[in-house]
Amino acid sequence: EAGVVQSPRYKIIEKKQPVAFWCNPISGHNTLYWYLQNLGQGPELLIRYENEEAVDDSQLPKDRFSAERLKGVDSTLKIQPAELGDSAVYLCASSLSGRVPPVFGPGTRLTVL
Amino acid sequence: DQQVKQNSPSLSVQEGRISILNCDYTNSMFDYFLWYKKYPAEGPTFLISISSIKDKNEDGRFTVFLNKSAKHLSLHIVPSQPGDSAVYFCAASGSQGNLIFGKGTKLSVKP
Repeated sequence: EAGVVQSPRYKIIEKKQPVAFWCNPISGHNTLYWYLQNLGQGPELLIRYENEEAVDDSQLPKDRFSAERLKGVDSTLKIQPAELGDSAVYLCASSLSGRVPPVFGPGTRLTVL
Repeated sequence: DQQVKQNSPSLSVQEGRISILNCDYTNSMFDYFLWYKKYPAEGPTFLISISSIKDKNEDGRFTVFLNKSAKHLSLHIVPSQPGDSAVYFCAASGSQGNLIFGKGTKLSVKP
């Protein structure tokens, strides 16, 4: 069984540029999460989807961040415009339901110069 | 304010000995607790969990203990192996299911 796939694995951009991350969850997993992990910190939830519905986006900075999960499968997280403080690892995770331990992808390491 | 705290940033143990990683939480509504292991350049991997109705859960070399009155849980690894060297994250959730993570403890197991 393939795991959670994320791309790109690494991204370097100039500040004020847009950037997008893509996630393909494990087949059949209805719940999808985007987490942000800063250096030396644990993952912090940005947004959680149940199928195509965002059920918790309270921690998503909506002035510059957006996310979508069309057809309840793949998901894209976008930042526009990126700021220096956005440099971090962006993790996607999926699970069969909200109370099952999520499986994490390898993450996308973003560097904003 | 941190709801899940791992107060030891690092821990070093000798191969074959016991590793004990600790975690404290503040939210009494948490009822499900998990441990994840993370290697460099990889995502966290689920290790073991425990529900608040239990005080111990064991899986091979890994045992998690929960003390609800103290709002404390610990992960015991016996015996420790060099391949266990990684960052360990404690996480907790309530009824809504969202995980709150601690900052992690870096475990080094020396041969």
